[in-house]
Amino acid sequence: GAGVSQSPSNKVTEKGKDVELRCDPISGHTALYWYRQSLGQGLEFLIYFQGNSAPDKSGLPSDRFSAERTGGSVSTLTIQRTQQEDSAVYLCASTKGGGSEQFFGPGTRLTVL
Amino acid sequence: AQSVTQLDSQVPVFEEAPVELRCNYSSSVSVYLFWYVQYPNQGLQLLLKYLSGSTLVESINGFEAEFNKSQTSFHLRKPSVHISDTAEYFCAVSESGGSNYKLTFGKGTLLTVNP
Repeated sequence: GAGVSQSPSNKVTEKGKDVELRCDPISGHTALYWYRQSLGQGLEFLIYFQGNSAPDKSGLPSDRFSAERTGGSVSTLTIQRTQQEDSAVYLCASTKGGGSEQFFGPGTRLTVL
Repeated sequence: AQSVTQLDSQVPVFEEAPVELRCNYSSSVSVYLFWYVQYPNQGLQLLLKYLSGSTLVESINGFEAEFNKSQTSFHLRKPSVHISDTAEYFCAVSESGGSNYKLTFGKGTLLTVNP
């Protein structure tokens, strides 16, 4: 595809359930980022993948959050035992690497009831 | 660590008026600077960026921003706005010399252009 895609676009879940959010980066982009956009906290960095290097997980808010990137392409962000404060828009971005432009996907809006 | 302050959460202006959206940052290392725009119900798009070289950078739709190192600012300006410029604008920084170019964002400024 031409851009970064994310699925699902919307996800409503009950407190305590696990959710998986998917990101398909632009083909050939080696770096992938996850961010979270919430009313209270604004836009926050969550995790960064670069090639085969160990990911930078410094932005993950708790151990309920994890992410993986398979084959250097698709990434999945998993939130276990969701809480209401996890409600936010989760954004994925990819880049060729270095300080070049990060291209953002449309996001997944997560609502935890 | 870096931080970004956008002093105005909302800026209402009339069409064809000039506008300035303010952005100040704090960092102990050299940074790259960005302005992203989010139109209603759309994703984030890069508006313009400063990586190096000329401190004045321009976008294709008439916005410009100037990197001022001494004042640690990267204000966004447009001499004459259009209704279609209504959007939320985010200032962001990333560390220029590291391996992780994660973006640190400001809280955003909602620009509303009225007829």
